[in-house]
Amino acid sequence: GQQVMQIPQYQHVQEGEDFTTYCNSSTTLSNIQWYKQRPGGHPVFLIQLVKSGEVKKQKRLTFQFGEAKKNSSLHITATQTTDVGTYFCAGPGRDDKIIFGKGTRLHILP
Amino acid sequence: DSGVTQTPKHLITATGQRVTLRCSPRSGDLSVYWYQQSLDQGLQFLIQYYNGEERAKGNILERFSAQQFPDLHSELNLSSLELGDSALYFCASSVEDFSTGELFFGEGSRLTVL
Repeated sequence: GQQVMQIPQYQHVQEGEDFTTYCNSSTTLSNIQWYKQRPGGHPVFLIQLVKSGEVKKQKRLTFQFGEAKKNSSLHITATQTTDVGTYFCAGPGRDDKIIFGKGTRLHILP
Repeated sequence: DSGVTQTPKHLITATGQRVTLRCSPRSGDLSVYWYQQSLDQGLQFLIQYYNGEERAKGNILERFSAQQFPDLHSELNLSSLELGDSALYFCASSVEDFSTGELFFGEGSRLTVL
């Protein structure tokens, strides 16, 4: 069936290092969204990408949507302790089902 | 505060029992989504309602059912509970469909089945 794969599942970085998580879909997505869930919290919307090859930036966060609209990435520059959490990508699949990746859990080492 | 309200926040019950989780979407949002999040797992899509009608269905067990009422609040009913049903259940809402914008998540209902 249709899947959205996220890698890595876990990532430990030193504070100040960069971090990237990747999202790959088995099918073309009309759009992709990214969410952040802090420990003990609920997912919070970060951004939506719609266009092929689209790149959007939010301060230290850079989001990309692949040319084929089957993959996406989130890159954080110079991580801070406030970046701790799990980052999910999500896209609308066939039959209007909303598919979330399993997420990448980011740990920041001080 | 996302504007989505879920009750109860915590629920402990026994196997075989039935529970109802309630969700009030943000004012003006027509779509309600239910997700299940088990320990160290991602968000499993259960079901979506739009303006009172079922819109999309995910891997929702037959023991689970949901509905959206005329006032747009939604309830998720879980019956014949099993230990494996222990999870965090999120409700989310959006103005229209997922593809048109962000989902606003509630704080979740943590269900523990003993």
